[in-house]
Amino acid sequence: GAVVSQHPSWVICKSGTSVKIECRSLDFQATTMFWYRQFPKQSLMLMATSNEGSKATYEQGVEKDKFLINHASLTLSTLTVTSAHPEDSSFYICSAPGGGSGMYEQYFGPGTRLTVT
Amino acid sequence: AQSVTQPDIHITVSEGASLELRCNYSYGATPYLFWYVQSPGQGLQLLLKYFSGDTLVQGIKGFEAEFKRSQSSFNLRKPSVHWSDAAEYFCAVAARPGGYQKVTFGIGTKLQVIP
Repeated sequence: GAVVSQHPSWVICKSGTSVKIECRSLDFQATTMFWYRQFPKQSLMLMATSNEGSKATYEQGVEKDKFLINHASLTLSTLTVTSAHPEDSSFYICSAPGGGSGMYEQYFGPGTRLTVT
Repeated sequence: AQSVTQPDIHITVSEGASLELRCNYSYGATPYLFWYVQSPGQGLQLLLKYFSGDTLVQGIKGFEAEFKRSQSSFNLRKPSVHWSDAAEYFCAVAARPGGYQKVTFGIGTKLQVIP
């Protein structure tokens, strides 16, 4: 089946620094990937849609200058949290839709736990 | 816009007992429906999905779900729960036709299994 990986699985950074999270589709190409954020004991909230070769589409209320998304290839999307603050601490999950008949099914990465101190 | 309601935030069942997790959706047309499971600190694993056809869908790990259009529901069931089923379960809906983006998740139901 389709596999999506994320790196790193967890990261601790100091307030004011930036951190980059990678999302890779390992055995399929993904022109679109999605980034979600999950606070403790809450559901996943879509942050943005990452589009290969073009600008990401951000959901309402998500600061695009703070959460930089780059989809440089058909298998890689990156999310950079700039000038991180403790309130950015969260679980970030990416996903990619399957192709063909599976286009409505998303394959999720294992997530990245970000802690900002 | 679509929405998903999971009315039960937390459910506790005894091992071996049957399980039903409720999910109601709101969408103007026939949606794509999913159930995902998430273990602590982990990503999401797809249990099953409904796109069309037979309204009773079989998934992995012995789970099944039934799509009931008249009730706008997609409840998840398992006849006999195992301790390893303890996790968070999310119901989700994806809009169709058109784009597959903006899959909307319910708030999740945390399942606790007691011996």
